[in-house]
Amino acid sequence: EAGVAQSPRYKIIEKRQSVAFWCNPISGHATLYWYQQILGQGPKLLIQFQNNGVVDDSQLPKDRFSAERLKGVDSTLKIQPAKLEDSAVYLCASSPSGGSQETQYFGPGTRLLVL
Amino acid sequence: GDSVTQMEGPVTLSEEAFLTINCTYTATGYPSLFWYVQYPGEGLQLLLKATKADDKGSNKGFEATYRKETTSFHLEKGSVQVSDSAVYFCALLTGANNLFFGTGTRLTVIP
Repeated sequence: EAGVAQSPRYKIIEKRQSVAFWCNPISGHATLYWYQQILGQGPKLLIQFQNNGVVDDSQLPKDRFSAERLKGVDSTLKIQPAKLEDSAVYLCASSPSGGSQETQYFGPGTRLLVL
Repeated sequence: GDSVTQMEGPVTLSEEAFLTINCTYTATGYPSLFWYVQYPGEGLQLLLKATKADDKGSNKGFEATYRKETTSFHLEKGSVQVSDSAVYFCALLTGANNLFFGTGTRLTVIP
């Protein structure tokens, strides 16, 4: 079974530029998550989708971050404009159906460096 | 609120040594508990989990027991190998599917 796919794996941009990350969850998984992992810390949830609807985006900095999952499969996370403190690894995860306390499976992440 | 407190690292052990990484949690309700591992250059992988009190999760020689009375989920392995060198994250999953991670513990095993 293929795992969660993410691209690109690495991205370097200058502050105030825009960047987008892509995630393809495990086939058939209804729930998709985006996490931000700053160096030396554990991942923190940014947004959770159930199919193509947002379940929780309370931790998403909406002035600069946006995410969508239009057809309930792939998702993109965008940062516009980027700040230095956005340098982090952005992890995508998925779980099967959104039932309570389902295990989440993570992709390899996109490492973003903002200069 | 819900949170996880994890043993600070880094931890350096010789091959075949015994490993313990402490993890305690604070939660309302009845969370599930996880250990994830992150090998160099890779994403998070699920190592083991436990979904209720007194459950023991185990995988690849690692074990952790869900202790409700001490709100702990310590990770143990009897004999570590060089290939176990990685960052280990304790995590708590609430009924609302909110996954809270500890700060991670870097383990280095030397031959």
